[in-house]
Amino acid sequence: ILNVEQSPQSLHVQEGDSTNFTCSFPSSNFYALHWYRWETAKSPEALFVMTLNGDEKKKGRISATLNTKEGYSYLYIKGSQPEDSATYLCAFLGAAGNKLTFGGGTRVLVKP
Amino acid sequence: NAGVTQTPKFRVLKTGQSMTLLCAQDMNHEYMYWYRQDPGMGLRLIHYSVGEGTTAKGEVPDGYNVSRLKKQNFLLGLESAAPSQTSVYFCASSSYTQGLYQPQHFGDGTRLSIL
Repeated sequence: ILNVEQSPQSLHVQEGDSTNFTCSFPSSNFYALHWYRWETAKSPEALFVMTLNGDEKKKGRISATLNTKEGYSYLYIKGSQPEDSATYLCAFLGAAGNKLTFGGGTRVLVKP
Repeated sequence: NAGVTQTPKFRVLKTGQSMTLLCAQDMNHEYMYWYRQDPGMGLRLIHYSVGEGTTAKGEVPDGYNVSRLKKQNFLLGLESAAPSQTSVYFCASSSYTQGLYQPQHFGDGTRLSIL
């Protein structure tokens, strides 16, 4: 079983503040890392697919970086808004196959 | 624009009963997946399929069976439900295009309670 860990498990952020959190994954046999956003009572929606070491992706106020050599990815939220409240999942795709291994998620709550 | 549709959305079973959860996708995706989501555990893969007529075990396959008789449908069966199978079940589908495994598209989930 692959070890994909996210920290912290939960995060309270004041509206307007920026924040970031981590996804750790195996540094060997890497193929891709996915990030998903999961709002309460909805289903997960894809944010980013990252494949290359040093990749940086951006979508609005949310961005992500990738370090495959050391096995981590950061997700950043700039100027957090209440609508950013969600659980953010990372998922590791190894070179061997076509199935994702998900981390436990970071639950972000943005307080007005 | 249905995407991934799961039925039913809710179900309550008694221990020992059987049932089938249906997942249907209209995006012509090759890959389909069944996950379960439990508090503090994230999404765990039960079974998956890389194409019509093929299935494979995921991380937590015990107590479940699956079938992919048609490309658009992926069925998850519980032969003899146990309280430990109380969970929220998510189906997802994806494709391999442009040299990349594309992001997974998820259904809305099925909340299953086993008494």
